[in-house]
Amino acid sequence: DTGVSQNPRHKITKRGQNVTFRCDPISEHNRLYWYRQTLGQGPEFLTYFQNEAQLEKSRLLSDRFSAERPKGSFSTLEIQRTEQGDSAMYLCASSLVLPIGELFFGEGSRLTVL
Amino acid sequence: RKEVEQDPGPFNVPEGATVAFNCTYSNSASQSFFWYRQDCRKEPKLLMSVYSSGNEDGRFTAQLNRASQYISLLIRDSKLSDSATYLCVVKVDSSYKLIFGSGTRLLVRP
Repeated sequence: DTGVSQNPRHKITKRGQNVTFRCDPISEHNRLYWYRQTLGQGPEFLTYFQNEAQLEKSRLLSDRFSAERPKGSFSTLEIQRTEQGDSAMYLCASSLVLPIGELFFGEGSRLTVL
Repeated sequence: RKEVEQDPGPFNVPEGATVAFNCTYSNSASQSFFWYRQDCRKEPKLLMSVYSSGNEDGRFTAQLNRASQYISLLIRDSKLSDSATYLCVVKVDSSYKLIFGSGTRLLVRP
């Protein structure tokens, strides 16, 4: 399968714990995005990488969230001291520079914070 | 005010019907526009880009009105398989991110 891969697919954790999600983009894609989606809402932008550089981060993202993309390949999204409001589907997407707007999403990592 | 606003629906239409969705965006600096489709419990997928002059892809027609800051999607001859949530997406020229609306849900009944 050469699509975007995310793991774990499901994570249940207790409030206050740290969680980490991994995204493996399509291999030739240099752009990588993290989004968060809750029920009945569209994906909400979290952060963007071009190769290994984190070029944009949502102002809504608290300091508890951090993302990395070492060597410009896979990416990780870590949430520290999770809160119940963090419960959501975390979506990773990758793309080429062109065409603009064609993001390829993974199936997501669903987080439930108890 | 949300940056991209859509009527959540659901739009419940019979097979063969024509249905139209509208979307409004707030940032006049928006430069690129798209419609994505998201099936239940699946990831979003690009349906089509929206060009200034309007564009068609089979049964789907997208229109852009920059003066009024709205985008539309028209689906002709609806199929059962068109049942999904349609997400309006906007990109501002000064940003890398794509901004998604909350989506409009379409249900096509037999």
